[in-house]
Amino acid sequence: AQSVTQLDSQVPVFEEAPVELRCNYSSSVSVYLFWYVQYPNQGLQLLLKYLSGSTLVESINGFEAEFNKSQTSFHLRKPSVHISDTAEYFCAVSLLNSGNTPLVFGKGTRLSVIA
Amino acid sequence: GAGVSQSPSNKVTEKGKDVELRCDPISGHTALYWYRQSLGQGLEFLIYFQGNSAPDKSGLPSDRFSAERTGGSVSTLTIQRTQQEDSAVYLCASRLAVASYNEQFFGPGTRLTVL
Repeated sequence: AQSVTQLDSQVPVFEEAPVELRCNYSSSVSVYLFWYVQYPNQGLQLLLKYLSGSTLVESINGFEAEFNKSQTSFHLRKPSVHISDTAEYFCAVSLLNSGNTPLVFGKGTRLSVIA
Repeated sequence: GAGVSQSPSNKVTEKGKDVELRCDPISGHTALYWYRQSLGQGLEFLIYFQGNSAPDKSGLPSDRFSAERTGGSVSTLTIQRTQQEDSAVYLCASRLAVASYNEQFFGPGTRLTVL
């Protein structure tokens, strides 16, 4: 079975400061990795994903995540956050090549950007 | 429609009553998932449907929970004899099954409050 640990439940950060949201996973087989974002009063949106290839993946709004197989991590980073980045962020995994299996989510990290 | 829709957006009910939550997936998506998002618990998988196959019900927390999917499209999640611990946001997601990876598109959710 797979599991996902998001080490921080809440992360407050000042505007324009860098941020890292940590995600570690446990799995005996290879997995796909995802970060979803949930803005206040909205549904989940896919932020970025790692399927294969380059271990560094980027989103269109400046976030990036790096897959580290040896550390079983997929931390999310942004060099300079905006007020609009305030949201809850969920790390998730699914089995490689088992597209129908449900996602396994972490408990989420609430990012609060302070002006 | 363009995205996954869910209704109602909010539901307040009294303990012991039955509730039905509806999900309309993206047209053409054959895989449909239900998740529950409880405060501080992240998202937990409940049930998923894939085409005409028997649904995977392994995530349903009790026999008070059931779901059906009619005509391979709309799905209804039913909770009988609701309890206060059922209060949560219920999220539906759909997926284009031919995709090789597990990108799921989420609806806005139904917030259920059991008094």
